[in-house]
Amino acid sequence: TQLLEQSPQFLSIQEGENLTVYCNSSSVFSSLQWYRQEPGEGPVLLVTVVTGGEVKKLKRLTFQFGDARKDSSLHITAAQPGDTGLYLCAAGGTSYGKLTFGQGTILTVHP
Amino acid sequence: DAGVIQSPRHEVTEMGQEVTLRCKPISGHDYLFWYRQTMMRGLELLIYFNNNVPIDDSGMPEDRFSAKMPNASFSTLKIQPSEPRDSAVYFCASSWTGEEAFFGQGTRLTVV
Repeated sequence: TQLLEQSPQFLSIQEGENLTVYCNSSSVFSSLQWYRQEPGEGPVLLVTVVTGGEVKKLKRLTFQFGDARKDSSLHITAAQPGDTGLYLCAAGGTSYGKLTFGQGTILTVHP
Repeated sequence: DAGVIQSPRHEVTEMGQEVTLRCKPISGHDYLFWYRQTMMRGLELLIYFNNNVPIDDSGMPEDRFSAKMPNASFSTLKIQPSEPRDSAVYFCASSWTGEEAFFGQGTRLTVV
């Protein structure tokens, strides 16, 4: 059974700071997704990374897939209060369609 | 498209009662997932379907849980009998690829 480990679990920062969230595993993935979840809502897909070493940017968010396709990171530049939420990584692993999630990182950005 | 639709949004029931959660996936999506989310255990995959067929139900906690997908536009998750430890938010999600999921708003279940 694949295991996705996210760190840190909690992150509390001031507006304008930068931060990085990590997603690690011992398994190799065909692709990896990042989601953001707000209270009372379901997770919303932010990005999918597919190629080892791939870097994708979404405004102030930068996503990177490790060269070996076992890990990924999410970097937020100049965080804003609107970035507050639960960030989740997910992957299908070796069993296609069995989409499992990491435990998530709860991010709080204070004004 | 209206997205994934779940009902009800909130359910409060007494221990021992049967609970049925409903989901309408996005039209054209071949995969449907049921997840349970709690603070302690995070987002757990309970079961997923491909083309209406259950593929992996290893995440279903006990025989009290069952899920069906009678057609491409409808699925149910049933708990019978319900117990207080089943209290959680249950999400349904659908996917075209099996690797990018679109979630409903969830059903918050409270068993008292």
